[in-house]
Amino acid sequence: KAGVTQTPRYLIKTRGQQVTLSCSPISGHRSVSWYQQTPGQGLQFLFEYFSETQRNKGNFPGRFSGRQFSNSRSEMNVSTLELGDSALYLCASSLPDSYEQYFGPGTRLTVT
Amino acid sequence: QKEVEQNSGPLSVPEGAIASLNCTYSDRGSQSFFWYRQYSGKSPELIMFIYSNGDKEDGRFTAQLNKASQYVSLLIRDSQPSDSATYLCAEGSGGSNYKLTFGKGTLLTVNP
Repeated sequence: KAGVTQTPRYLIKTRGQQVTLSCSPISGHRSVSWYQQTPGQGLQFLFEYFSETQRNKGNFPGRFSGRQFSNSRSEMNVSTLELGDSALYLCASSLPDSYEQYFGPGTRLTVT
Repeated sequence: QKEVEQNSGPLSVPEGAIASLNCTYSDRGSQSFFWYRQYSGKSPELIMFIYSNGDKEDGRFTAQLNKASQYVSLLIRDSQPSDSATYLCAEGSGGSNYKLTFGKGTLLTVNP
C-alpha cells in the first residue's frame, strides 16, 4: 500500500511570492492534516480537512489556506511568503475514527 | 493557549537501559495523547496512543497517563541504538484526534 506522498519535496521561493504544496493521502484515508515544523516552534498544526471540508484550524494567519478535493487529495497555499515561512511542511492522513495519523515525507520550503 | 511541555533533552542512556520520557499538558479537557518518534531527516511515526488513566504496554514501550497531574510518560525498556531519535508528545486538541498539539520533542541517544 502506497504511503502519503507530498510534492514537491523541496522548494525555494522568494519573499512575496506564493506557493502551493500537494498531498496525496493513503488510499481510503479521508482526513488530511497539515503541519508546519521549524526548529524553533516545533510541529504546529495548520488545518485538517475531511470530505472536502475544513474541520479544524490552527492559529496561523490567513495567508495559509488549504483545500481538499473529492479524491481526498489536498493542497495548501501560502501567499505573500515571508522569511519565517521557511519550514518543513508535513501532511498526515488517517482513516475515519482512527487515532493514527500517517505522515508524508514533507515538503522543505525555503524562502529567500 | 494549549501547551505541551516535554522534559528538556538531550537524553542519553546506555544500550539495554530504560529510557524515560516525560510530558505535561495544560488542557484539562484533553482526552487523547500520542507519542511519535522522528528519526533525523524523516517524518514522525506513531508509537503509541493512550486515552485512559494508567499504563498501556506495547512490546518494549509503555505509555503512562495521569490526568489528575496532567502528565504523560513513555518508557522504553531494553533500549537499543535504533531507538535513538527525537520523541514527540502530542495531545488531541479540543477533543479531536486530528488536531494535534505537539511538544518540542526530546532527543534520545542510546549508546552501544
